[in-house]
Amino acid sequence: DAGVTQSPTHLIKTRGQQVTLRCSPKSGHDTVSWYQQALGQGPQFIFQYYEEEERQRGNFPDRFSGHQFPNYSSELNVNALLLGDSALYLCASSLASVFYEQYFGPGTRLTVT
Amino acid sequence: AQTVTQSQPEMSVQEAETVTLSCTYDTSESDYYLFWYKQPPSRQMILVIRQEAYKQQNATENRFSVNFQKAAKSFSLKISDSQLGDAAMYFCAYRGYGGSQGNLIFGKGTKLSVKP
Repeated sequence: DAGVTQSPTHLIKTRGQQVTLRCSPKSGHDTVSWYQQALGQGPQFIFQYYEEEERQRGNFPDRFSGHQFPNYSSELNVNALLLGDSALYLCASSLASVFYEQYFGPGTRLTVT
Repeated sequence: AQTVTQSQPEMSVQEAETVTLSCTYDTSESDYYLFWYKQPPSRQMILVIRQEAYKQQNATENRFSVNFQKAAKSFSLKISDSQLGDAAMYFCAYRGYGGSQGNLIFGKGTKLSVKP
């Protein structure tokens, strides 16, 4: 049973560029949440997708956007990258009916130079 | 807004000994969930233990147990018989009750070192 997978593992971008991160949820899960974890901090909630719609959003600017596909996989897009966007981006999946259990992927380390 | 506070940035324990990590939270809700997650250097966040606020009994998972004090809004994690593999960042997290309350609210974490 495959767990949550994320790609790429690492990437380096330049200020002003755009980036897309990808997440495949655990088999059987239908809900995907994204978190940003800055160095030395706890993860912060970006948004959650369910049934291909953004269901809830944290305190992040519109530069952060996402998408969920019919197979439940998800993308996180960040436009106009800032140095402060450098962080570990974590994807978590869950089943809507078992909403209290979130399984995390290994994350994507984004470095903005 | 809900907040989670972990007041111990770092903790250390001798192998085979017991250590307790502290967490306090603030909420006006009566129903919610509390979690402890472990994040080893591999970065993958692993669920250690979950507590439902409506349950008075403290959750236990093998060597891991919690002391949940709802009135005091306190949720500590006790690790018994500590092992080298327990070394990691530990995060306390809160989640509201209900499917639409999608997000986990994390504390800043406690770095646990285990000495052989």
